[in-house]
Amino acid sequence: VQLQESGPGVVKPSETLSLTCSVSGGSISGYYWSWIRQTPGKGLEWIGYVYYSGTTNYNPSLQSRVTISLDTSKNQVSLKLRSVTAADTAVFFCARSAPLSFFNSLDVWGPGTPVTVSS
Amino acid sequence: EIVLTQSPGILSLSPGERATLSCRASHNVSTNYVTWYQQKPGQRPRLLIYGASRRAPGIPDRFSGTGSGTDFSLTISRLEPEDFAVYYCQQCGTSPPWTFGQGTKVEIK
Repeated sequence: VQLQESGPGVVKPSETLSLTCSVSGGSISGYYWSWIRQTPGKGLEWIGYVYYSGTTNYNPSLQSRVTISLDTSKNQVSLKLRSVTAADTAVFFCARSAPLSFFNSLDVWGPGTPVTVSS
Repeated sequence: EIVLTQSPGILSLSPGERATLSCRASHNVSTNYVTWYQQKPGQRPRLLIYGASRRAPGIPDRFSGTGSGTDFSLTISRLEPEDFAVYYCQQCGTSPPWTFGQGTKVEIK
């Protein structure tokens, strides 16, 4: 299975960051699909996940601004982060968790996509 | 939220030496849900160890993990040139948020 993130590389402050993760070579069923971001200052930060059933769980630090969803017809996972500021500038990764075989560990990652928040 | 603290921040070693990396949790973590990743510059993280001690498919047996409760460690028995990288621990238990340590950089001495 392969994951590929896509979306705009630059977002203006106060706007909504929207990214898509395309899943190829495998099914969305049976897995958690997470978004993680990485900054030089804060390292890796888990943003949240959506389970194939549609259940979501978010990092409390971002919960008020984030939505993660699935489009099973397109085999895609989406991230929306609202009201962004410069502090949201990061490389964003999507990743798969296998709850049964790998105890929720993130066993497949996309290459990541850099997003800069700037006017 | 469970905070993971990794030490040391930087480990300077020579190829062939043994590396021991530590990950300490602020609260008990179920052994099943401690994971280690390796990341090289410009690359995505790579799953090394899950369930605290289980090697992911394709991971050489020079990598091993151990620990329980709040103290976990990753050992690389004999460093190969390709092992110089940053290593992160993570807890991915049944009660999110999932959290990562800040990383340990293993650099060539």
